[in-house]
Amino acid sequence: DGGITQSPKYLFRKEGQNVTLSCEQNLNHDAMYWYRQDPGQGLRLIYYSQIVNDFQKGDIAEGYSVSREKKESFPLTVTSAQKNPTAFYLCASSISGTGAHEQYFGPGTRLTVT
Amino acid sequence: GENVEQHPSTLSVQEGDSAVIKCTYSDSASNYFPWYKQELGKRPQLIIDIRSNVGEKKDQRIAVTLNKTAKHFSLHITETQPEDSAVYFCAASKGGFKTIFGAGTRLFVKA
Repeated sequence: DGGITQSPKYLFRKEGQNVTLSCEQNLNHDAMYWYRQDPGQGLRLIYYSQIVNDFQKGDIAEGYSVSREKKESFPLTVTSAQKNPTAFYLCASSISGTGAHEQYFGPGTRLTVT
Repeated sequence: GENVEQHPSTLSVQEGDSAVIKCTYSDSASNYFPWYKQELGKRPQLIIDIRSNVGEKKDQRIAVTLNKTAKHFSLHITETQPEDSAVYFCAASKGGFKTIFGAGTRLFVKA
């Protein structure tokens, strides 16, 4: 069940601390994404990256930051500025090119901030 | 802004019956409509998708229909089985890298 992995599966942090979620893919995909999943709200896009060293804000980027130094890796940092960080975070990747394509999701990280 | 509405939020059917989930989208430029299935505690996975140049697509017990004029698309599951129980998400995209997801439908298939 490789392809795209996320770690850790569960993460607990105290309020006021920054935390970084890992996402790695070996699918040779150019595009990578971070989504937040809350009950009853579907998937909301936080950030996406089309290519190394480039990324764009999604709909709910406030309080989050990302980097894309390698094609395989797209870590997400949840900063202390994020007002309600407790959620399930999903990373995804897809091939690039014209038109839209299937997204492959990682297993997710459940973050709890108290 | 861009929006995808999905109904119903919860659906309960008897094993062997059909299940239908409906979505509407707001952006008429959308041209790719995937459906993802998320089993409890697992990652979403694509089960079927349709592009705007096609009105219907089938894959065994699953079919998707698209009405571009009305901006509606639907997922149809026939002969439901307990393993079909999951959350189903519809989505719409117009290319580029942004996909808008519906809020999800929790399907229960009773044995």
